[in-house]
Amino acid sequence: GDSVTQMEGPVTLSEEAFLTINCTYTATGYPSLFWYVQYPGEGLQLLLKATKADDKGSNKGFEATYRKETTSFHLEKGSVQVSDSAVYFCALSVGGGATNKLIFGTGTLLAVQP
Amino acid sequence: VTQTPKFRILKIGQSMTLQCTQDMNHNYMYWYRQDPGLGLRQIYYSMNVEVTDKGDVPEGYKVSRKEKRNFPLILESPSPNQTALYFCASRGGQYENIQYFGAGTRLSVL
Repeated sequence: GDSVTQMEGPVTLSEEAFLTINCTYTATGYPSLFWYVQYPGEGLQLLLKATKADDKGSNKGFEATYRKETTSFHLEKGSVQVSDSAVYFCALSVGGGATNKLIFGTGTLLAVQP
Repeated sequence: VTQTPKFRILKIGQSMTLQCTQDMNHNYMYWYRQDPGLGLRQIYYSMNVEVTDKGDVPEGYKVSRKEKRNFPLILESPSPNQTALYFCASRGGQYENIQYFGAGTRLSVL
């Protein structure tokens, strides 16, 4: 079945370090891919998305490229800040119309130290 | 998307309704539960007023959708395994695939 696998955390980095959070997926068809972020005490917010192969989603300095050949959607940021500390979820959207569904990975906790 | 309450502690068997309201006139609404190490799992969803269906983990829950803006989640006889963080989400049209989430309700059943 459809699924998302993302790297386990926690990931601990110093401020201004480079970030990569790996995400791979299994899906039939052509899913859209998302990264959601959950800041402490808050709900999930959409960080970025990509709807087809080779699309690059970007927002707030974060980027992810939809790689169909490797079924991956890795999240990257060149220089993290303390304020980026949060849980990051990779997700895929499957099904069309009324049956559309989001499938989430288990989440990766990022802790950025000053 | 607004969820209430933010926190609640329940005793086993003490019924509870988690409220969810959206003001975006969205057709689709969802309930998820978040458990450590398991990510988010879908409990129920609704495609419109009076149209609901089970998600992946519906056991022990009920829902209703009497108004387009509200989608309450009902726990009639909670058990400790329903201790979790609950999220409500909504989505717009049939071809829109972004879901918008509430801030969550943290529920403990003791």
